[in-house]
Amino acid sequence: SQQGEEDPQALSIQEGENATMNCSYKTSINNLQWYRQNSGRGLVHLILIRSNEREKHSGRLRVTLDTSKKSSSLLITASRAADTASYFCATTSGGGADGLTFGKGTHLIIQP
Amino acid sequence: GAGVSQTPSNKVTEKGKYVELRCDPISGHTALYWYRQSLGQGPEFLIYFQGTGAADDSGLPNDRFFAVRPEGSVSTLKIQRTERGDSAVYLCASSLGVGSGTEQFFGPGTRLTVL
Repeated sequence: SQQGEEDPQALSIQEGENATMNCSYKTSINNLQWYRQNSGRGLVHLILIRSNEREKHSGRLRVTLDTSKKSSSLLITASRAADTASYFCATTSGGGADGLTFGKGTHLIIQP
Repeated sequence: GAGVSQTPSNKVTEKGKYVELRCDPISGHTALYWYRQSLGQGPEFLIYFQGTGAADDSGLPNDRFFAVRPEGSVSTLKIQRTERGDSAVYLCASSLGVGSGTEQFFGPGTRLTVL
């Protein structure tokens, strides 16, 4: 079963604008990760935020985590055409290197 | 040096047949995962190996699905008596497996089509 729900399901913006995607989950988590999937290619890890962290940055990416609301957001600043992809949040609940529970994803389209 | 590789990249089979999907993880990664992704959905966890043993197989949908990793490296996902509903992209990932939150590196997937 899928843990997370991304919102929106699809997002289309102009190049240079910021894109924000949200993720909600149901059970308590150990950490939350965001992955990108380009059409026809595998998943690429973007960023990980632990349950005791509230915000994390990596380049043009900013992730927030609100464990009280069981939600996370991914912000991509100054979007580029190459950012067009599907974005998934994924969670782990256990203490080991266990499997990820993914959401359904947000399909992001950057218009040139 | 290369990333996770999966073979074949595409597999078309008939309902009722047996298929094997192979995954070669990144060298040195002790943890290996199998996921299944249906069209328009996120990946769904199937099974996870730590070394040679299946640490968690709770995601396998039924007993037609089985996976092995006999030498702690290459893994094979086996599906017996395939059904049309098994059609999906099967993804493999590996990680260092040293603790929670270790980044998983994904392969390109095997697209399975059951006619």
